Amino acid sequence: DTGVSQDPRHKITKRGQNVTFRCDPISEHNRLYWYRQTLGQGPEFLTYFQNEAQLEKSRLLSDRFSAERPKGSFSTLEIQRTEQGDSAMYLCASSWDFSSPLHFGNGTRLTVT
Amino acid sequence: TQLLEQSPQFLSIQEGENLTVYCNSSSVFSSLQWYRQEPGEGPVLLVTVVTGGEVKKLKRLTFQFGDARKDSSLHITAAQPGDTGLYLCAGAQDSGAGSYQLTFGKGTKLSVIP
Repeated sequence: DTGVSQDPRHKITKRGQNVTFRCDPISEHNRLYWYRQTLGQGPEFLTYFQNEAQLEKSRLLSDRFSAERPKGSFSTLEIQRTEQGDSAMYLCASSWDFSSPLHFGNGTRLTVT
Repeated sequence: TQLLEQSPQFLSIQEGENLTVYCNSSSVFSSLQWYRQEPGEGPVLLVTVVTGGEVKKLKRLTFQFGDARKDSSLHITAAQPGDTGLYLCAGAQDSGAGSYQLTFGKGTKLSVIP
């Protein structure tokens, strides 16, 4: 068990650029989640996958955001035309099933200048 | 509207003191989890409580789930500098079709001064 890994750890981009983050969950975990955390707030749910199927998306996930988990293993989160309000820590988590605790990665910190 | 209210938001205490942080809601949860998060890292699960009135102990940490499953508390005895961090509570609710939505509070930022 190597834990959940996220790449990159930090990303600085200019407003209007596209960015993509990657998450590698714990290998035997079926569920994969994306959360966003801003300063002074707890993590806010964005979306989750059961294997390769994206089952739920938050209203926070605007049309500029897209997430994929093509083979039910790693996942990517892409943000198009980034805005300064997108600056946050993007956390990925995985779990065995719907009632199991989440295991979080250390996040990707995005700064949009 | 914050579904889960955590208090206090900030807490600074001396090493060796005891403390309690609270997590309150008007909603009922099927389970409640406590996490600790350090700067630049993801949250790490401390405990899950499921049954109303349940009390769980983890060394110097005592977690309690309210009888009505709407609130929880975390008590730390003889706090140490290593306890410093952001303590988050997260409530799980069945959002339908077998999906359990996990909602986090804003957290309590604890500083333990040596």
